[in-house]
Amino acid sequence: GNSVTQMEGPVTLSEEAFLTINCTYTATGYPSLFWYVQYPGEGLQLLLKATKADDKGSNKGFEATYRKETTSFHLEKGSVQVSDSAVYFCARGAGGSNYKLTFGKGTLLTVNP
Amino acid sequence: KAGVTQTPRYLIKTRGQQVTLSCSPISGHRSVSWYQQTPGQGLQFLFEYFSETQRNKGNFPGRFSGRQFSNSRSEMNVSTLELGDSALYLCATAPGQGSDTQYFGPGTRLTVL
Repeated sequence: GNSVTQMEGPVTLSEEAFLTINCTYTATGYPSLFWYVQYPGEGLQLLLKATKADDKGSNKGFEATYRKETTSFHLEKGSVQVSDSAVYFCARGAGGSNYKLTFGKGTLLTVNP
Repeated sequence: KAGVTQTPRYLIKTRGQQVTLSCSPISGHRSVSWYQQTPGQGLQFLFEYFSETQRNKGNFPGRFSGRQFSNSRSEMNVSTLELGDSALYLCATAPGQGSDTQYFGPGTRLTVL
């Protein structure tokens, strides 16, 4: 079946450090891939997405590239801020439907000043 | 545009009771999906409704049900509550056509005592 595996963390970084959160997915069909972010006490916000191989999604300094050959969609940011502290979720659509998402377990990121 | 609205935001019930949660989508969105978020299982897809019809379903027991009204508002119902049903229930809405992105509400926090 469909699954998503992401590094669970927690990840603790200093401000301005480089961030990578790894995410791999099962290669069933040609799913769209997503990164969502969840701040304390809130729902999920879409951070970025990519709909086909080699697409790069980007937003607010975050980037992720859809790599079909390695079935990966790693999240990166060159310089994190304290305000980036949150839980990050990698997700895939279900082939023909992006309304049935499969999520990774989430990665808690804490950025210290 | 107003965002996705979920009511109530917090709910406390006892085992054996039933509960109904409500989700009002963004104006123009016809697809509503429901997810359960728990510390142990993470985010899991419950079901998706589009134009008052259940279009996708996850692997949850029949105690979990939903419906959608003609104005696209959706409700989910959990009967015979169990302690393990304690979770954050999130709804996500989308226009409903093709490869649209889902937008999440803030969630309803259900506690079963």
